[in-house]
Amino acid sequence: QVQLQESGPGLVKPSETLSLTCAVSGYSISSGYYWGWIRQPPGKGLEWIGSIYHSGSTYYNPSLKSRVTISVDTSKNQFSLKLSSVTAADTAVYYCAVHMVGGVMNWFDPWGQGTLVSVSS
Amino acid sequence: SYELTQPPSVSVSPGQTASITCSGDKLGDKYTCWYQQKPGQSPVLVIYQDSKRPSGIPERFSGSNSGSAATLTISGTQAMDEADYYCQAWDSSTAVFGGGTKLTVL
Repeated sequence: QVQLQESGPGLVKPSETLSLTCAVSGYSISSGYYWGWIRQPPGKGLEWIGSIYHSGSTYYNPSLKSRVTISVDTSKNQFSLKLSSVTAADTAVYYCAVHMVGGVMNWFDPWGQGTLVSVSS
Repeated sequence: SYELTQPPSVSVSPGQTASITCSGDKLGDKYTCWYQQKPGQSPVLVIYQDSKRPSGIPERFSGSNSGSAATLTISGTQAMDEADYYCQAWDSSTAVFGGGTKLTVL
């Protein structure tokens, strides 16, 4: 059973880079699947940020692509998110999830518990 | 960019059938999934590939997709089904979520 756990700073200053890691247990990232990041501003809906395959192949949300980098570390069985030049609008709960994508597949399951990142000076 | 539209809220009486719609251009040509999110919790997949239920999801949850709209139907709605529901599709290598629907059971 795949389990995911997000970690990283809960507070980031404006204009700096937000960095989060998702540790995966119960499954080897190298075995397959895409691995995704999704965020949810307080009281608002879900927004997909991007997804990565173990080989490093990525999909990014076009609206965030210029500021996002997603990477994978198979040796540590984890993947990471970097979001640059953050503003208050990037304050959100950030989730990582298994992203089933390809052919008829298109869903996220399961999800991590999420981590709140606030952008403030 | 592709957009999915959901009603902000839907109300249903216990034991009745709740229907939540998700509309998008030619959505029936894509596969849609649905998530349930209760306050303070992570989203949970309840329907994938338009109408399939993951293991552990009650049979009262069903889905359909045709034309320009997908529908999540909850039969015999229970108080525990009160939650936010999000649809999601894949378009042009982009995952798109609907704005979410708050289901109230009263």
